[in-house]
Amino acid sequence: NAGVTQTPKFQVLKTGQSMTLQCAQDMNHNSMYWYRQDPGMGLRLIYYSASEGTTDKGEVPNGYNVSRLNKREFSLRLESAAPSQTSVYFCASRKTVWDRGKAGELFFGEGSRLTVL
Amino acid sequence: DAKTTQPNSMESNEEEPVHLPCNHSTISGTDYIHWYRQLPSQGPEYVIHGLTSNVNNRMASLAIAEDRKSSTLILHRATLRDAAVYYCILTGTDKLIFGTGTRLQVFP
Repeated sequence: NAGVTQTPKFQVLKTGQSMTLQCAQDMNHNSMYWYRQDPGMGLRLIYYSASEGTTDKGEVPNGYNVSRLNKREFSLRLESAAPSQTSVYFCASRKTVWDRGKAGELFFGEGSRLTVL
Repeated sequence: DAKTTQPNSMESNEEEPVHLPCNHSTISGTDYIHWYRQLPSQGPEYVIHGLTSNVNNRMASLAIAEDRKSSTLILHRATLRDAAVYYCILTGTDKLIFGTGTRLQVFP
């Protein structure tokens, strides 16, 4: 069971370089998420996609762009990397269902560790 | 945006019960309460969720206050493998915000 797959797992960039983090899920989930986690801190939502074809800003969207390529894939792009973007990035997905409220558990990838020098 | 508040850290001894609290005073009627835990160097994993009634599964129990403004994750017998950061989140919208969570330390 692959679940949520993130690539790459590790990346080192120089300030100003660009890169794309890839995320794919094989669970037919409709919602996908990108979070970042700085050392010793909690998860902060960057962007999310509630369904194929839609994307919305989270708590910390500045410096990032996203693409929901299809139902399976949700990519995160850093156009001009900055040292402040050094972090561990987690992709997650969930099958959002309505059952007296929006339910559905989140499934997370293993994370992508990004260092910007 | 954070809708939940949790203590920064808690401690427990092995094989003792642990009660992890979460306040969510602005909860809406359609918000589910989810708990996740994050082991060192791993992504978060689902633990349990509930809407109004208390819930039990193989990992833990979830006790939800009658007014739903708070909940408690209960680990019946803590083990060293339960040492992690525990997050409580509300999932009534698609914008899923995590707080800082509670770091649980378990001592032998």
